[in-house]
Order: sequence, then C-alpha cells, then structure tokens
Amino acid sequence: SQTIHQWPATLVQPVGSPLSLECTVEGTSNPNLYWYRQAAGRGLQLLFYSVGIGQISSEVPQNLSASRPQDRQFILSSKKLLLSDSGFYLCAWNKYNEQFFGPGTRLTVL
Amino acid sequence: KQEVTQIPAALSVPEGENLVLNCSFTDSAIYNLQWFRQDPGKGLTSLLLIQSSQREQTSGRLNASLDKSSGRSTLYIAASQPGDSATYLCAVRGAGGTSYGKLTFGQGTILTVHP
Repeated sequence: SQTIHQWPATLVQPVGSPLSLECTVEGTSNPNLYWYRQAAGRGLQLLFYSVGIGQISSEVPQNLSASRPQDRQFILSSKKLLLSDSGFYLCAWNKYNEQFFGPGTRLTVL
Repeated sequence: KQEVTQIPAALSVPEGENLVLNCSFTDSAIYNLQWFRQDPGKGLTSLLLIQSSQREQTSGRLNASLDKSSGRSTLYIAASQPGDSATYLCAVRGAGGTSYGKLTFGQGTILTVHP
C-alpha cells in the first residue's frame, strides 16, 4: 500500500532563517506530487506541483521554492523565511485519479 | 478560474441527525470531485471520489452526489456520531490534459456533532 511521509511534524523558525521541508512517498512510482499551504482561517492553496524528477511548476509567486531530486521525494525550501510563511504545509500525491495527503508540517515563523 | 464554495461554513447538530453538506463550483468542466475530512492539526483523509461521469458514490454512512451541469455536489451523512466532528472539504479537479491532477478546494464546513 502507498504511504506518504512528511517531516518535521512541527517547526518554529525565526524570520530570515532558511527552510527545508521534506515529503516522501512509498509504494508507488512516478506519482504527481504537490505542496499545499493552509493558513489560519484560509483554505488550501496549491503552491507547487511536479509531474517528474526535476520538473517543478509554481502556482503562486512567493518566497518559497520546490525541488524533486528523486522520483518519490519532494522538498519545499526557502532561503529567508517571512512571517507570512507561517502555516500548515501539506504534501500530496496523485496517480490516475484520487489525491492523497500526508500528515502535514506546522510551521511557525517568529 | 475555478472557484469552489461550501455551505454552511459551520454546522452543529445533535447525535443521530442526518445532515447535508453542500459544495458548488463555477466551472463545470471537471474531471472529478473529491470529499475530504480533516481533523484538527492533521492531514486530509479522502472520503469519496466521484468521477465526472458518475452521479453518486457511497461509503458506509456517507453518500456524495454530483450534478456537474449545475456545478453542485452534496455530502450526506446518515445517523451522525460525535466521531464525525471534523472539517469537511470539497475539491474539484479540472478536466483537460494540463490540469495535472491539481485540485481547487472550498473553504470547508466545520461539523460538530454533540452527544
């Protein structure tokens, strides 16, 4: 069966510090991968998606970037965090039809 | 641009009631629609997936319907239980080869079922 992992589960970072969130998927190959952000009081916003290794598409202009160094690994990064980057970050994968989500990372930028 | 709206924003019911959550979308050119459940501080759990050619899907006490032409879906929960308390999210996937499985989400309905 397929599983999706995210780490860390929670993170508190100062403004201006770098960020690296990791997502890995098990039990499938060549999935489409997605990063979403859920800010307090707002819905889920798609940040990036990837259809293959090294292929990244950005949905909104922002302070973040994404990379896919391996088939089942998706990384969300920032060189300098902003207060507005705080939120709940969710990784998801999709193959054929249904989309499945990871447990999320709660990021607080102080 | 696809927009998804969920009504009501919040719902509080006594245990045992049957209830309906509503989802509407502005662009009827969808590939499928998915209902999710989110518990506080957790990720999303997929409840039901309805393909654009289908009218409804059922799983246990849950039944989801889809009227693509009118841009509406409903999630029906029978005999609600306190364990059903969560946020319910509706999401649509656009049709066409460039959608890449991307989902557009509604804001969710916060459901509270009290004993």
